[in-house]
Amino acid sequence: GESVGLHLPTLSVQEGDNSIINCAYSNSASDYFIWYKQESGKGPQFIIDIRSNMDKRQGQRVTVLLNKTVKHLSLQIAATQPGDSAVYFCAAVRTSYDKVIFGPGTSLSVIP
Amino acid sequence: DAGVTQSPTHLIKTRGQQVTLRCSPKSGHDTVSWYQQALGQGPQFIFQYYEEEERQRGNFPDRFSGHQFPNYSSELNVNALLLGDSALYLCASSFHEGEDYGYTFGSGTRLTVV
Repeated sequence: GESVGLHLPTLSVQEGDNSIINCAYSNSASDYFIWYKQESGKGPQFIIDIRSNMDKRQGQRVTVLLNKTVKHLSLQIAATQPGDSAVYFCAAVRTSYDKVIFGPGTSLSVIP
Repeated sequence: DAGVTQSPTHLIKTRGQQVTLRCSPKSGHDTVSWYQQALGQGPQFIFQYYEEEERQRGNFPDRFSGHQFPNYSSELNVNALLLGDSALYLCASSFHEGEDYGYTFGSGTRLTVV
């Protein structure tokens, strides 16, 4: 079946350093990808998305990279801040089926 | 512009009871999906409603049922509650038109079964 996985369940970084969170997906038919941030007790919050016809997209302090050849995407957070501490999920979407598959999440801890 | 709203935010039920959770989608969204998120896990897909019908379903028993209303809002019903049903229940609304696609989550309902 389809799956989405992350390489590391936890990640600790020093404040001010850059963070990289990785994700692998299994279905090559996925054509849209979303990164979410989830703080304790809250619902997932949209961070950034990317379509399969792109390989890079930048937002404010965040960049998503997509490598369709190896079915891998990553989220880069520049100058990580304590407020970035949360669980990060990637999601792979087959928009024609409106089917979204979530990965298990990476817990990011920022050390002041 | 209101996003996805869910009610109630927290709920405590006794094992064996029934529960109904509610979701109002984001304006302009016509599809509603429900997810169960256990502590420390990623969201698990329960089912999806479109045009008032269940369009997709995940690996959840028939105790989990739902409904979508003409205004696109939705309900999730769980019968014969088990302790293991304790989780954060998330609703997500979406739309898809050509190249345009959007998917938005609500803040969830925290269900505790005792």
